[in-house]
Amino acid sequence: QVQLVQSGAEVKKPGASVKVSCKASGYTFTGFYMHWVRQAPGQGLEWMGWINPNSGGTNYAQKFQGWVTMTRDTSISTAYMELSRLTSDDTAVYYCARGTVSQGNDYWGQGTLVTVSS
Amino acid sequence: EVVLTQSPGTLSLSPGERATLSCRASQSVSSSYLAWHQQKPGQAPRLLIYGTSSRATGIPDRFSGGGSGTDFTLTISRLEPEDFAVYFCQQYGSSPLTFGGGTKVDIK
Repeated sequence: QVQLVQSGAEVKKPGASVKVSCKASGYTFTGFYMHWVRQAPGQGLEWMGWINPNSGGTNYAQKFQGWVTMTRDTSISTAYMELSRLTSDDTAVYYCARGTVSQGNDYWGQGTLVTVSS
Repeated sequence: EVVLTQSPGTLSLSPGERATLSCRASQSVSSSYLAWHQQKPGQAPRLLIYGTSSRATGIPDRFSGGGSGTDFTLTISRLEPEDFAVYFCQQYGSSPLTFGGGTKVDIK
């Protein structure tokens, strides 16, 4: 069965960076894009971008360009999302979600809480 | 960017009642690329409906989706206790992908 398992919660200081991982299993990792979506406390869902695990190509939402980096390691079927220059506004749960052409985001990771606090 | 507006913000209903949720887009969305997700407290979203009206794997048939162009709906024919949650619509046909603000279905 498809599973996306994310890394654990993080606490960071303002100005720092955070790197969240998402390990995929139960399917061919390079066959599906991986999206990243975040959700601030009590708020809605915000799409950040995707990575094509096959080519490494990326597409970031304009808001996050120059600020987010999505990478992957195909040898361990893991995608990464790194966000730099953190502020308190980046406190959120970060989700990875598999992307398909027909079904959109059909499987989601369990989420990683990132707390930015001095 | 396609802006999705969901209404109502909160829907208070009793188990067994019918729920109708609305999602309106700022510009036309291809019916092939409109999805609905369910989210319960402390959990990740779960895909319910894709392509406007197709149920995802394992989703019961009391959930149905419809609409076209700029107006889409999610209907839950008879609310079960486990259906009380927040529902988000999403368009995935154009970048950036966007989500509606959500409709909370709570127990009356």
